[in-house]
Amino acid sequence: KQEVTQIPAALSVPEGENLVLNCSFTDSAIYNLQWFRQDPGKGLTSLLLIQSSQREQTSGRLNASLDKSSGRSTLYIAASQPGDSATYLCAVIGANSKLTFGKGITLSVRP
Amino acid sequence: EAQVTQNPRYLITVTGKKLTVTCSQNMNHEYMSWYRQDPGLGLRQIYYSMNVEVTDKGDVPEGYKVSRKEKRNFPLILESPSPNQTSLYFCASSLLLGDTQYFGPGTRLTVL
Repeated sequence: KQEVTQIPAALSVPEGENLVLNCSFTDSAIYNLQWFRQDPGKGLTSLLLIQSSQREQTSGRLNASLDKSSGRSTLYIAASQPGDSATYLCAVIGANSKLTFGKGITLSVRP
Repeated sequence: EAQVTQNPRYLITVTGKKLTVTCSQNMNHEYMSWYRQDPGLGLRQIYYSMNVEVTDKGDVPEGYKVSRKEKRNFPLILESPSPNQTSLYFCASSLLLGDTQYFGPGTRLTVL
């Protein structure tokens, strides 16, 4: 059974810092990996989608990488801002078509 | 506006009283899915549907039913709700399996 781990569960950084959020998964037979953002009391917003054949994707200040063989993905946030404060979740779609989420990393960016 | 809508947004009910949470998308997406989110357990997939009349179990399907009679709607049915189904429920859709998923705003269900 696929397991997705995100450590640490919470992170607090000062504004302007570049940071890396980690995601690991146990079964490398994945279809793709997605990073989401969730604000308190709200639904999820997709940030980046990396297909299994890709190594990375970029959108603005965000860059996500995927190393399928080692079961790892990272989300890089450049020049963090208080508005980046949220919970960040990664999710993988396995070869069985099921989607498995990590428990998320709650990020706080201090002004 | 492209969106996934869920109704109701909040629901308090009693054990055993059948309920349906509706989900609708206006993006002509083939793939739809239901999740529940619980503190400490994260988001878990309940059911998903690749297309009309095609549904399959996720990781936590017990106590739930779904149907996909038309492409835009994917209702979640709790035939006999129990307190352990108290949770925050999300519906999501994507064009196909593996495409970007769009989430609804969530339905907070409390079963007394």
